[in-house]
Amino acid sequence: GAVVSQHPSWVICKSGTSVKIECRSLDFQATTMFWYRQFPKQSLMLMATSNEGSKATYEQGVEKDKFLINHASLTLSTLTVTSAHPEDSSFYICSAGGAAGDSYEQYFGPGTRLTVT
Amino acid sequence: AQSVTQPDIHITVSEGASLELRCNYSYGATPYLFWYVQSPGQGLQLLLKYFSGDTLVQGIKGFEAEFKRSQSSFNLRKPSVHWSDAAEYFCAVDGDKIIFGKGTRLHILP
Repeated sequence: GAVVSQHPSWVICKSGTSVKIECRSLDFQATTMFWYRQFPKQSLMLMATSNEGSKATYEQGVEKDKFLINHASLTLSTLTVTSAHPEDSSFYICSAGGAAGDSYEQYFGPGTRLTVT
Repeated sequence: AQSVTQPDIHITVSEGASLELRCNYSYGATPYLFWYVQSPGQGLQLLLKYFSGDTLVQGIKGFEAEFKRSQSSFNLRKPSVHWSDAAEYFCAVDGDKIIFGKGTRLHILP
């Protein structure tokens, strides 16, 4: 299967600063990127879905001005957490989806742990 | 080391037949366990989860899963599948960190 990477894998930032997380699909044309967050010992929560070249669609309750998503190419999507606060500390996972032959495939990144102090 | 295995990449069953999707994990203690479903072009949807207590867990859409500590397994079951169940299913293990299995694609025969 395809490889999806995330950078950084772990980041600590101070409250009020912004953090950018990159999600790269290394050998796969990702027409759709999904961003999830997971609080400790809870299930994954879909934050937003983005199609290449289009604005992201955010799930209810997710602030789009706080979590900026860019999906400018078929291999790169970024999530920027603006003016981060301690409650934004979480594990963020991206996944890349797209056509693979006759089927649709989705591959997950390894995740980024964000800690806001 | 923590790991999760879904041994079946593809499974095909007839509509109305029963279903079991396998999930095995490796972890030093009892992790939190999840099953997710994903339809094409959609994000993951949580089917059910196990944290503690009753080892038979009921989820949405008629799915259930049973945690078996002795077998390090958390298999997903449904007594009678519907054509709309065709999708990809992911088992996830949350111990030190969350790890997803590679997924099992379910095909339904009419």
